Amino acid sequence: DAGITQSPRHKVTETGTPVTLRCHQTENHRYMYWYRQDPGHGLRLIHYSYGVKDTDKGEVSDGYSVSRSKTEDFLLTLESATSSQTSVYFCAISEFSGEPQHFGDGTRLSIL
Amino acid sequence: AQSVTQLGSHVSVSEGALVLLRCNYSSSVPPYLFWYVQYPNQGLQLLLKYTTGATLVKGINGFEAEFKKSETSFHLTKPSAHMSDAAEYFCAVSALYAGGTSYGKLTFGQGTILTVHP
Repeated sequence: DAGITQSPRHKVTETGTPVTLRCHQTENHRYMYWYRQDPGHGLRLIHYSYGVKDTDKGEVSDGYSVSRSKTEDFLLTLESATSSQTSVYFCAISEFSGEPQHFGDGTRLSIL
Repeated sequence: AQSVTQLGSHVSVSEGALVLLRCNYSSSVPPYLFWYVQYPNQGLQLLLKYTTGATLVKGINGFEAEFKKSETSFHLTKPSAHMSDAAEYFCAVSALYAGGTSYGKLTFGQGTILTVHP
């Protein structure tokens, strides 16, 4: 299995608080992605990175920011969490554009 | 722009029966197509992929899919279902744009939950 670690695996927090999710990879892959999974919507892309300090928005980026200061880490931040951001968040990596993505085990985030 | 539609949010089959999960896509450029499987409380695992070449692709666990450009479809099949196939399945599309890159961004379908009865 691809070396992808997401932390934390579970988190419960309150509306208005900041939240940071971490994705760590040991594969030295160039591309990293953050998705959210909600029933009936499949997975939707939040942000992605195509290199250190190179990031861009995905389909559902409002309310989220990302940072990638080194190859192995991709951070997703909710500056002020809202209940609509309650979801399961997945990180994925790929070595080349168009190659299959490998997914982490997910972070289950509940915002009360 | 690209999109994916999976027909049927739930599919139920008997053990030993044919599995058919339907996926239709829309893409303005030649697509790369993927099927992923997700078991409860786990991430997504790649079943198979189509990029170029042979339109019938074989994947893990006995699954296969056929790319039909004229029908814009990429249906997933398995001749004989096993209890261990019960999971949620996702079809996804990516595209490489001529002269550029899509950065490998995936667009997913809504998912199909497969139930296998004894």
